Amino acid sequence: GDSVTQMEGPVTLSEEAFLTINCTYTATGYPSLFWYVQYPGEGLQLLLKATKADDKGSNKGFEATYRKETTSFHLEKGSVQVSDSAVYFCALSAGAAGNKLTFGGGTRVLVKP
Amino acid sequence: GAVVSQHPSRVICKSGTSVKIECRSLDFQATTMFWYRQFPKQSLMLMATSNEGSKATYEQGVEKDKFLINHASLTLSTLTVTSAHPEDSSFYICSATDRKRNNYGYTFGSGTRLTVV
Repeated sequence: GDSVTQMEGPVTLSEEAFLTINCTYTATGYPSLFWYVQYPGEGLQLLLKATKADDKGSNKGFEATYRKETTSFHLEKGSVQVSDSAVYFCALSAGAAGNKLTFGGGTRVLVKP
Repeated sequence: GAVVSQHPSRVICKSGTSVKIECRSLDFQATTMFWYRQFPKQSLMLMATSNEGSKATYEQGVEKDKFLINHASLTLSTLTVTSAHPEDSSFYICSATDRKRNNYGYTFGSGTRLTVV
């Protein structure tokens, strides 16, 4: 079945440091890929997405590129802020739009001033 | 943008009682609603998928008689935890999408923290 694997946290960084969170997936066909962010006690917010190979999703300084050859969708940000402290989830949706999302285990990121 | 309003945000109930959680799509039609459960510091576990006007499809291991899902309209879906027990305590999150838009947009509610005492 479909699965998403992302690096375990917590990841602790200093402000303005570079952030990378690795995400790899297994799926039949060509899934759509997503990064969601969850702040404490809240639901999930879409951070970015890519629906086909080589697409780059970007938002709020975060980027991720859909790499079919390595089945990866790593999240990066060049300079993190304290407000980026949250849990980040990589996810995929296989098949038609509106199919269920399969989530990775989540990566907790803590940015210290 | 698309908004899903989820209520209540927190609820404490006694063992044996039932609790209803509502998710409303405010500015779009939720043709499909996903219900998730999240344990502390863990990922989201899909419980069931419901399409408007149809019976929900439950994931393996999820008791459909315990977790009743209703999706009678394009803007409202409810999850009722029946005869709740302490092990049902968890964070429940809904996610809605409009399949007709075909844009891979999933909007999440803000979650419900259920504590069964």
